[in-house]
Amino acid sequence: TQLLEQSPQFLSIQEGENLTVYCNSSSVFSSLQWYRQEPGEGPVLLVTVVTGGEVKKLKRLTFQFGDARKDSSLHITAAQPGDTGLYLCAGAPFGTSYGKLTFGQGTILTVHP
Amino acid sequence: DTGVSQDPRHKITKRGQNVTFRCDPISEHNRLYWYRQTLGQGPEFLTYFQNEAQLEKSRLLSDRFSAERPKGSFSTLEIQRTEQGDSAMYLCASSTKNEQFFGPGTRLTVL
Repeated sequence: TQLLEQSPQFLSIQEGENLTVYCNSSSVFSSLQWYRQEPGEGPVLLVTVVTGGEVKKLKRLTFQFGDARKDSSLHITAAQPGDTGLYLCAGAPFGTSYGKLTFGQGTILTVHP
Repeated sequence: DTGVSQDPRHKITKRGQNVTFRCDPISEHNRLYWYRQTLGQGPEFLTYFQNEAQLEKSRLLSDRFSAERPKGSFSTLEIQRTEQGDSAMYLCASSTKNEQFFGPGTRLTVL
């Protein structure tokens, strides 16, 4: 059982569509990070959410942290082919070593032109 | 480029051989982490250092795995007597606080 459950695992959409990726847990996190990873490369940090209910925007990407700090979502507006990649959520639950990030299994996004 | 660097980027080895990977963190970062990622999965924590001290090791890190950070700067990860199941991407990350920045990874293939 994954500590962080991401859904969906695969997403294939057309350019211009909107999409949402979810990251859920039964544990409380002090913060959650979202990363994007391209094949053969390391994950690149997109954003960190810290406060329950927090919303952060990064151009066409909107990140939300649940009020109870157990879940998060990533919403992409008007997806573009350049958004294609593996999206990962990660965090360290309360009570665990803050250095030990737990990752979700990832969402593979493909945006077709 | 002042990001995290890893060397080599790719390593192909035969089962039973030893391999060593190097990670150079962002210079002002005192914390360094190693993760392993297999195809279709998120990275899994292996170990982490604060300066030269290795503070936590995952149960994934069997006796064949050893990591060092002798001077609190670069780190090495050695795998002895490699097995086919060791084939994966080995990722290094560094941080000062909670946000970890990753290197490009070393892709290991054990034949």
